[in-house]
Amino acid sequence: SQTIHQWPATLVQPVGSPLSLECTVEGTSNPNLYWYRQAAGRGLQLLFYSVGIGQISSEVPQNLSASRPQDRQFILSSKKLLLSDSGFYLCAWRGGAGSSYEQYFGPGTRLTVT
Amino acid sequence: AQKITQTQPGMFVQEKEAVTLDCTYDTSDQSYGLFWYKQPSSGEMIFLIYQGSYDEQNATEGRYSLNFQKARKSANLVISASQLGDSAMYFCAMFRPRSARQLTFGSGTQLTVLP
Repeated sequence: SQTIHQWPATLVQPVGSPLSLECTVEGTSNPNLYWYRQAAGRGLQLLFYSVGIGQISSEVPQNLSASRPQDRQFILSSKKLLLSDSGFYLCAWRGGAGSSYEQYFGPGTRLTVT
Repeated sequence: AQKITQTQPGMFVQEKEAVTLDCTYDTSDQSYGLFWYKQPSSGEMIFLIYQGSYDEQNATEGRYSLNFQKARKSANLVISASQLGDSAMYFCAMFRPRSARQLTFGSGTQLTVLP
């Protein structure tokens, strides 16, 4: 069965510090991968998605970036965090072409920028 | 552009009763899909149910059913025989067929099941 991991689970970082959040998927090949952010009490905002290694699409211009160095690894990064980057970050996957449409989410990372 | 609207920020239901969570959507696509996710206080998003735009019958998964009214562009979630563990945030979402099928989410409904 498929499993999705995210780490760290929680993170407190000062403004201006770098960020690296990692997401890995097990039990599937060539998944579509997604990064979402959820502000407190709000819905999910899609940040990035990837349909393959090295292929990244950005939905919202910001000081965040994403990379996909391996088929089942998706990384969210920032060189300098802003206070507005605080939130709950969720990674998700779904199968590639021909797969069902639902996305499956990881446990999330709670980021607090101080 | 796709848009999902959930007009109930909070709902209360008595244990063992049924509850309906509202969702309306707007799209110009003929082919699309609608989802419901549950988010408990732990934060993880749990997939509940899916309805395709061409599906003739309403989707059901255990105690969850999706009341799909295409002409009204509504996709309400019905939870039968509510349980205390159903207390959570519920999100309606729609997939976009032309863009790697990522999802557009509504703002959510906080459901509280009362004992």
